[in-house]
Amino acid sequence: KNQVEQSPQSLIILEGKNCTLQCNYTVSPFSNLRWYKQDTGRGPVSLTIMTFSENTKSNGRYTATLDADTKQSSLHITASQLSDSASYICVVRHYNNNDMRFGAGTRLTVKP
Amino acid sequence: NAGVMQNPRHLVRRRGQEARLRCSPMKGHSHVYWYRQLPEEGLKFMVYLQKENIIDESGMPKERFSAEFPKEGPSILRIQQVVRGDSAAYFCASSSGQGRTDTQYFGPGTRLTVL
Repeated sequence: KNQVEQSPQSLIILEGKNCTLQCNYTVSPFSNLRWYKQDTGRGPVSLTIMTFSENTKSNGRYTATLDADTKQSSLHITASQLSDSASYICVVRHYNNNDMRFGAGTRLTVKP
Repeated sequence: NAGVMQNPRHLVRRRGQEARLRCSPMKGHSHVYWYRQLPEEGLKFMVYLQKENIIDESGMPKERFSAEFPKEGPSILRIQQVVRGDSAAYFCASSSGQGRTDTQYFGPGTRLTVL
């Protein structure tokens, strides 16, 4: 069983709307959690990183939240744009530096 | 300051041939990671290397796969006697250090197709 589960698997929204993507993890002990954006045919690009002591982190229209007690994170996208269409990947780093667990991603499509 | 470079971007091989994938890390980065992404699946860690050393190869298949990061030149992921199941996108990432909040910067990937 994957230690990082993301939902939904895919999501379609209209341009200008907001959306929230979910990430639940069981990785323990936990070091940090990242959200990556992966455009089709490209490598992932880091959006945010949060350590266990951080609850929220923003990067422009992207806001990530973290609840280390319930082992849940969310990525909220505000006023979506067509260019937000991509896969969003949650990555949780084990306390062991080399061990990073990747979620399968949420495929977001923003339609005009 | 160029990002992580990978080549070729697309590679087609017939079953039984060898595939060699190259990764040049960002300037100043001495840590390289290789990942495999199967269609509709997430990234899977394969191997972590520093210059001339394999630090963690726990995600590498036991046979046919090898990786190196020589003192000079790019990191190479080598797949011998490829099979159809090796068809995937292979991503390389690099970082400057081993800190827990160190960012890995990803290359554009090499898409391997085995006929």
